[in-house]
Amino acid sequence: DAKTTQPPSMDCAEGRAANLPCNHSTISGNEYVYWYRQIHSQGPQYIIHGLKNNETNEMASLIITEDRKSSTLILPHATLRDTAVYYCIVREINTGNQFYFGTGTSLTVIP
Amino acid sequence: DGGITQSPKYLFRKEGQNVTLSCEQNLNHDAMYWYRQDPGQGLRLIYYSQIVNDFQKGDIAEGYSVSREKKESFPLTVTSAQKNPTAFYLCASSIRSGSTEAFFGQGTRLTVV
Repeated sequence: DAKTTQPPSMDCAEGRAANLPCNHSTISGNEYVYWYRQIHSQGPQYIIHGLKNNETNEMASLIITEDRKSSTLILPHATLRDTAVYYCIVREINTGNQFYFGTGTSLTVIP
Repeated sequence: DGGITQSPKYLFRKEGQNVTLSCEQNLNHDAMYWYRQDPGQGLRLIYYSQIVNDFQKGDIAEGYSVSREKKESFPLTVTSAQKNPTAFYLCASSIRSGSTEAFFGQGTRLTVV
């Protein structure tokens, strides 16, 4: 059970910010939100994760709502190489539960 | 360099034959995972192992078997009992618990003819 809901596809203009939403309304207090992306026929690549505070790294920013029921991944300046399928995952951290992937959002960056 | 290696990248087998996919990691991770991906679909969990000599079934374990005799290795056997074995197979590893990410291999594309 993926526990997350994402739109199946999105477009973004090159150079603009890409905002990818994710709903995780049943998330529990000790579950983290992870984001991965997968370029065609490659292994998924880790992007970012967080618990309740907003997070930023060199790839992206993660905004988690105060009630933790949804989050948004932000790619600040999308490039053509950001075209990929983006997966939002919740994972319980204390018992080492597995990573459950849903079907993700297919992001297309348009020149 | 530390990482997770799957081999081979492409594999062809005749129907009815068992085939074993290799997954090796040198990240000193306790947990390892096998996923299957079909065209246009997300990843589905086949088996996972949190420690040596122990593993659990995922959502689609039927027709597959695994072993975890060494920390570094988690081979997956696709048996003849798997009805639709043609797929993209991905292996991953992570620290057993805690807020850390999983690292993925580059996958093995298995085609059964």
